[in-house]
Amino acid sequence: QITLKESGPTLVKPTQTLTLTCTFSGFSLTTSGMGVGWIRQPPGKALEWLALIYGDDDKYYSPSLKSRLTITKDSSKNQVVLTLTNMDPVDTATYFCAHRRVVGGTNWFDPWGQGTLVTVSS
Amino acid sequence: EIVLTQSPATLSLSTGERGTLSCRASQSVSSYLAWYQQKPGQAPRLLIYDASNRATGIPARFSGSGSGTDFTLTITSLEPEDFAVYYCQQRSNWPLTFGGGTKVEIK
Repeated sequence: QITLKESGPTLVKPTQTLTLTCTFSGFSLTTSGMGVGWIRQPPGKALEWLALIYGDDDKYYSPSLKSRLTITKDSSKNQVVLTLTNMDPVDTATYFCAHRRVVGGTNWFDPWGQGTLVTVSS
Repeated sequence: EIVLTQSPATLSLSTGERGTLSCRASQSVSSYLAWYQQKPGQAPRLLIYDASNRATGIPARFSGSGSGTDFTLTITSLEPEDFAVYYCQQRSNWPLTFGGGTKVEIK
């Protein structure tokens, strides 16, 4: 059974850097075609894809946020870390991580973590 | 960037009724489209992938169709647990994009 869980601060100040960790179980990023993505959702709004990393260290970013985003992995710890610099109140959202498997899977985000709400306020 | 437009924004239906949700892409995504269901306070759940394939454990009352730019999610007979928000997503082109969502509410 695959599970993912996001962790990190619930409150950050404007201009600070947000660091979120996705800790997962039930799969390994050392397996070919395995990936973990980050998606966020402002309160009452739609989903927005942020970044995706695969076990071979291929990385993909949303162009609108690329200059502020970094995604990394620690396969030995079963963790994926997302950093978002220069936080602004518009970045207030629930941040989700999700599993994606290219080979032997659906190649879509399935399943997702429960999400973590991050509020940006001074 | 491929823009996905979902309609209607809100669909008011009764239990047992048929629901038809639309997702239109700004350019062809072939069959690389998925549907997710999200209930309040929960994470999205994959329902349909590659336009018409039900994900594991998804009831047969959910079906997807379409290709190119026009896609439909059909719920043949709404159950109480189906009232939720539904999102489409494409993976044809980077960046990955989601639609704005359709809320299926109780009439």
